[in-house]
Amino acid sequence: GQNIDQPTEMTATEGAIVQINCTYQTSGFNGLVWYQQHAGEAPTFLSYNVLDGLEEKGRFSSFLSRSKGYSYLLLKELQMKDSASYLCAVRDSNYQLIWGAGTKLIIKP
Amino acid sequence: DTAVSQTPKYLVTQMGNDKSIKCEQNLGHDTMYWYKQDSKKFLKIMFSYNNKELIINETVPNRFSPKSPDKAHLNLHINSLELGDSAVYFCASSQDIADSYNEQFFGPGTRLTVL
Repeated sequence: GQNIDQPTEMTATEGAIVQINCTYQTSGFNGLVWYQQHAGEAPTFLSYNVLDGLEEKGRFSSFLSRSKGYSYLLLKELQMKDSASYLCAVRDSNYQLIWGAGTKLIIKP
Repeated sequence: DTAVSQTPKYLVTQMGNDKSIKCEQNLGHDTMYWYKQDSKKFLKIMFSYNNKELIINETVPNRFSPKSPDKAHLNLHINSLELGDSAVYFCASSQDIADSYNEQFFGPGTRLTVL
């Protein structure tokens, strides 16, 4: 079967760094994406990885290891507005996105 | 201008009714999607529609049917609503299902409550 695993919830402090992990087992692989979803709102795109390594975009970075079926999203200089759910998803062999349940990130002052 | 719009935002209805949710995108994208997000926050793909090719998630009951009058619209029709259909339904679009980036743009969601 297809499986995407993420921690259910994480807590971090404003100004700190947090790493959200994602492991996956899917039928085929055509890239991995991270989305941010604030409560009651639609998901918004953060990053895309298809090759191994780190992709950096401002305060957010995403890492991929295809051999390990593993990715992480790294958030630096955390701000209160970063409190949201972070969804990991993998594009399978049919180019469909298979989604994890998301990690709810709580930022404390 | 809203990129992906859905109506209605909230829908409360009785079991057994038939309802439709409308979706429109003004991004000129070739592919549109319908997702269901349940109370546990899992996003599950229901349909994707690309250049008149419909890909259906096999777990979706046939009470759900997508209708696309043109490339900018993909409506969702639901027959004989059941309690378990209560969820948030998101429409999304992307440039092309197989392009390298495939950033999907989501609509604001429709919260469906079946009583």
